[in-house]
Order: sequence, then C-alpha cells, then structure tokens
Amino acid sequence: GAGVSQSPRYKVTKRGQDVALRCDPISGHVSLYWYRQALGQGPEFLTYFNYEAQQDKSGLPNDRFSAERPEGSISTLTIQRTEQRDSAMYRCASSLKTQTGELFFGEGSRLTVL
Amino acid sequence: RKEVEQDPGPFNVPEGATVAFNCTYSNSASQSFFWYRQDCRKEPKLLMSVYSSGNEDGRFTAQLNRASQYISLLIRDSKLSDSATYLCVPSGSSNTGKLIFGQGTTLQVKP
Repeated sequence: GAGVSQSPRYKVTKRGQDVALRCDPISGHVSLYWYRQALGQGPEFLTYFNYEAQQDKSGLPNDRFSAERPEGSISTLTIQRTEQRDSAMYRCASSLKTQTGELFFGEGSRLTVL
Repeated sequence: RKEVEQDPGPFNVPEGATVAFNCTYSNSASQSFFWYRQDCRKEPKLLMSVYSSGNEDGRFTAQLNRASQYISLLIRDSKLSDSATYLCVPSGSSNTGKLIFGQGTTLQVKP
C-alpha cells in the first residue's frame, strides 16, 4: 500500500517476553519516527532515524527498548523483558524529508502485556 | 515544566460556534510549529503548519506568539466533523527533526 504499514496490529504477550514491532514507511521517506501513545494522551516521542542513522533516542524509556533501521527503510522497535507498564499503542511515522513537520502515521501496534 | 502544554478539555461547543485552543511550549529554540488532528481511535494527521506571520486555511487560523511561547488554533463556524483531538507540535531546536506532541485538546461539536 501507499501508506505507513505497521505489524502486528495487535500483540498480546506475557510479562517477561520480548516483542518486536515492525514499521514499513512510505517508500522514499527519509525520516522514520517511533512514538508511544497512552489512552487520552498525545504521542510520546521515543526515537527517530534519518535513513539508517538513529538521530535521537532520548525518548526510549530504558535499555529494554531499542530500535533499528538497518537499510534505511523498514524499522523494528524491540522491547525486551516486557512489563505491564509497556502496554500502549506504538505508532510509527515517516516523513519525506528531514526536519519537516509533516509526519505520516501508520495505524499503530497495540501492545498488551499481561 | 512540560515541553508542551495544552488544556485537555473537552471543549463542548454548538455547531457554528467559534472556538480557540492555546498551546504553550518551553523550548525557546523551537523553529517550527504544527497542529495535528486525531480522530477517535485513529492516527494523528497534519492539520496545518504555523508560520510566524500566522496562517489561515479555510475556517482554521493558526497563530504563533514567540515572545510568550504559545501557538493558537482558531476554528470558525464549527462543524460536527470537527470533533476530534487537536495536538500541538513544536519542533526541537533547529538542528533536530525531533517533534514533541502535546497532550491534545478534545473538541466535541454538538448539533
């Protein structure tokens, strides 16, 4: 499709398990962002990439969270040893150019940690 | 102080009303500003950019006040379809693409 694609759309896991969330940005988009959104809150910045380079990871909550974009296209957000507090909607967005405010979001991956 | 502050509302207004939202930001180095709209259970979408001179797009007007570090969004002649959450987004400093979203202000337009 032409939009940002995220998978899985829904993920239920048990505490302590690792999860990997995938984002396939719009083709040709340079920048890719990861956000986390709790109900009733705005998206919380996690990290972003320009091409394959991770530019800012200041929003990653702790070292259980990591992200990569090895070939400058698809990105994976990995959460190790999941905890209940990790439950949220994880949103990926891409933009055509760097340092532009026009982000195109995917539909998100809803993570539930039991 | 939060990087971006918005009154979460909800703002309940009748159709045809004019409503305004403000948003304050703490990073004086922010160079670019945006308003996003998010419908219930959907992803955010860019509504409009906010330019220093202010800008208007149909019924929507965005203003920037750098001295006081706030941006505003004015919606005239509200429609039922305007019901959504409006997210304020200042950029980081000029050398970063980091975008921080506010909590959002919820608007409910009633018939």
